[in-house]
Amino acid sequence: QQQVKQSPQSLIVQKGGISIINCAYENTAFDYFPWYQQFPGKGPALLIAIRPDVSEKKEGRFTISFNKSAKQFSLHIMDSQPGDSATYFCAAPKGPGANNLFFGTGTRLTVIP
Amino acid sequence: DTEVTQTPKHLVMGMTNKKSLKCEQHMGHRAMYWYKQKAKKPPELMFVYSYEKLSINESVPSRFSPECPNSSLLNLHLHALQPEDSALYLCASSQVLGRRGNTGELFFGEGSRLTVL
Repeated sequence: QQQVKQSPQSLIVQKGGISIINCAYENTAFDYFPWYQQFPGKGPALLIAIRPDVSEKKEGRFTISFNKSAKQFSLHIMDSQPGDSATYFCAAPKGPGANNLFFGTGTRLTVIP
Repeated sequence: DTEVTQTPKHLVMGMTNKKSLKCEQHMGHRAMYWYKQKAKKPPELMFVYSYEKLSINESVPSRFSPECPNSSLLNLHLHALQPEDSALYLCASSQVLGRRGNTGELFFGEGSRLTVL
């Protein structure tokens, strides 16, 4: 049973463009929605996270938009750079207040110069 | 540089071998995790330790045996593995939820890439 559905599977964006990755969740008890970034040969690293009491969170070029009624959240990468090329995973905790995470299926982002 | 250190980075073993993966963190985290990641797939949770006690086992086969000897160390003992167990094994740590200021962030190591022949 997939608790977090992520799309697209892969994404190619021109340098300077906007990258958008979407996730949908089912369990309304989820209370924390992080995005992790993983470069080849490395472990995932937290990029940005949001809690359901806000609709948007911005950190530099990265923004999470959260739609509680639709049970969806998305990652926007503004002014995408080749260094952003990586795999991005959305995630949600396996239970209320839990740290262990369900990960989405991942999106492989390629930013071409 | 990651603050979670995993050794070895690469391991090749036969199906009859016994080996161990090691993980160390010095961030004072009292929750530690083992995840398994196959190529082009998301990490999948295997085990969670909280205050050095096993709190979650995601129905992992007994040929994988975790151990948490102290608050900084986490081991994964491997025995009689199958070729389908070949994967990247990721260790992570975090603060235990419930403490003030907890971000819920998992800190991952770079992983141990395991090949079972």
